[in-house]
Order: sequence, then C-alpha cells, then structure tokens
Amino acid sequence: ETGVTQTPRHLVMGMTNKKSLKCEQHLGHNAMYWYKQSAKKPLELMFVYNFKEQTENNSVPSRFSPECPNSSHLFLHLHTLQPEDSALYLCASSQALAGVLAHEQYFGPGTRLTVT
Amino acid sequence: SQKIEQNSEALNIQEGKTATLTCNYTNYSPAYLQWYRQDPGRGPVFLLLIRENEKEKRKERLKVTFDTTLKQSLFHITASQPADSATYLCALDPSNTGKLIFGQGTTLQVKP
Repeated sequence: ETGVTQTPRHLVMGMTNKKSLKCEQHLGHNAMYWYKQSAKKPLELMFVYNFKEQTENNSVPSRFSPECPNSSHLFLHLHTLQPEDSALYLCASSQALAGVLAHEQYFGPGTRLTVT
Repeated sequence: SQKIEQNSEALNIQEGKTATLTCNYTNYSPAYLQWYRQDPGRGPVFLLLIRENEKEKRKERLKVTFDTTLKQSLFHITASQPADSATYLCALDPSNTGKLIFGQGTTLQVKP
C-alpha cells in the first residue's frame, strides 16, 4: 500500500448523474493531484492542490470540479459527464517544502469510471 | 511540439536477462526525470529519480541513465524476473514545479 486510498474503486454512472470521487492520503503530504488515465494514452494531470490551494487546472472541463478541504483529503465532483470521460482517475500526493512541490509522487489505486 | 516518447511496443525478454527501456523527449530541458512502475489496475509506483547533473543512478537491480544532450533516459533491470513484468513510465517536470508530464509507458514481459 502506498498510503493513498481512493473510493470507490469502480463507478458506473449515467450522463445525467452526479457523483464524487474521494482520495485520502496518510503520508503527511501537503500537495495532492488528480490525474486521468485513458486507454492507450499517457497520464494526464488534471488538478494540483498545494497546501489546499489549487495551483493548476490543466484546461479541464467544468463538469469536473475538485475540492480540497484539508491537506489529507481530495475530492473530484462529477456531473453531466460524457462517455469519453470514461477512464481511470488517479489521485497522488507529494511533499511540498516551503510551497515548492517535491518530486516523487505517491499514487492511489485509482477509480475506474465508466460513463454510460 | 513538446513530447515524451517511450517504446509503445511491449518488450519481451527471458528471465535472467537485462531489460532496457528507452525514454526520449523533445523540446524540454528538465532538471530531473523519474521512472514509475504500474501494474494492471493499480496506480504508478515511484522507482527512481535522476537529476540533470547525474549521469547514472542505481537502486538494487535497477539502473537509470540520463543524457541531456541526447534528451534520453535509459532504464535497465538486470537479472530480470517474471515479477518485474509491468508497465514502466517515465515522467519529467518541465517547469520544476512538481507538475509531471508522463510518457505512455512500455510494457515489459519477463518469461520464465
């Protein structure tokens, strides 16, 4: 185990549903990330939170809405998704020193999302 | 355009041999490069980081080289084992801010 947990592990939702993905890290890190991994494509960085402040939104559609209430928890709220949003959504965390993101990242197991 | 390339074809080798995986990048000047391992249905696991001023880094059976002139990193697994079978990802941080860009990964299959 990496110290980063994600729930649920699998999620099937219709295009009109609203759901949320949850990530929790037990490593004492203060930077957290959301990535999307589609079949045959590289991991794509979606959002970065550093000390609970969002520091990156990598041109992600507004139907994805992140929330970081504290340094240990990260959510991804989903609404009116499209079938092409089906993918593995990965959460990661890392240490941040004086606001600078450290290098190695620790990933959770991911949530396999299917949009029907 | 900026991109990272890894061999998209799977690499099949015999147990005990050395596996060598390649990561090439263009139009970046990263301060460091990382390698991760990803098993099916799981998140990537950090393996090694090599900085631009380091030519080589080792960890147990793993060795990474970093050639900033060629814009290439090589990842070696010596005395490979079937348990080494996985997808290996390289990643770099173009702006040195922790915002990683990943390659698409190379799948390694070690046959007993």
